[in-house]
Amino acid sequence: AQSVTQLDSQVPVFEEAPVELRCNYSSSVSVYLFWYVQYPNQGLQLLLKYLSGSTLVKGINGFEAEFNKSQTSFHLRKPSVHISDTAEYFCAVILSGGYQKVTFGIGTKLQVIP
Amino acid sequence: DAMVIQNPRYQVTQFGKPVTLSCSQTLNHNVMYWYQQKSSQAPKLLFHYYDKDFNNEADTPDNFQSRRPNTSFCFLDIRSPGLGDAAMYLCATSTYGTLAKNIQYFGAGTRLSVL
Repeated sequence: AQSVTQLDSQVPVFEEAPVELRCNYSSSVSVYLFWYVQYPNQGLQLLLKYLSGSTLVKGINGFEAEFNKSQTSFHLRKPSVHISDTAEYFCAVILSGGYQKVTFGIGTKLQVIP
Repeated sequence: DAMVIQNPRYQVTQFGKPVTLSCSQTLNHNVMYWYQQKSSQAPKLLFHYYDKDFNNEADTPDNFQSRRPNTSFCFLDIRSPGLGDAAMYLCATSTYGTLAKNIQYFGAGTRLSVL
């Protein structure tokens, strides 16, 4: 079975500073990887996804993530954060091939400080 | 335009009083999911429908039921809500067998309070 580890439960960062939210996964087979963002009292919004191809994927709101197969990581980055990026971010994985259920990490709360 | 719509956004019910949450979708996706999300936790899958086939998670309490009368609608019924059922309930949809690769699209959620 696959699992997802988000190493940081909370990440405070000053506005306009860069940020990296870490995500590691474990799986014996190939996977698809996702980052979702959840604003307060909202559902989850897909930020970006890695299915295949280029290991650097770009998403909405200026975020990007890099798939590193050897390190089994899929870290999320943004070069300059804005107050509006304050939210909770969930890393998620699905086993490739066929119909599979999503496994979510526990989430990382990003707090952007003015 | 909202593609997965959950109603109501906020629901207050009394301890033990049955409650129904609804979800509708305009994506024509064949898979619909219900998740429970408690504060500061990841969403927890309760069950899902693949077309009309109902798939319950092993640890979902019997208190939780679901109905899917057609492709567009799915309901979550909580027969006798307890205080521990207060949470955000998220509906999601996905399609199977396309390049979309099971990407799930979420509604805005229904926050349930139990008094």
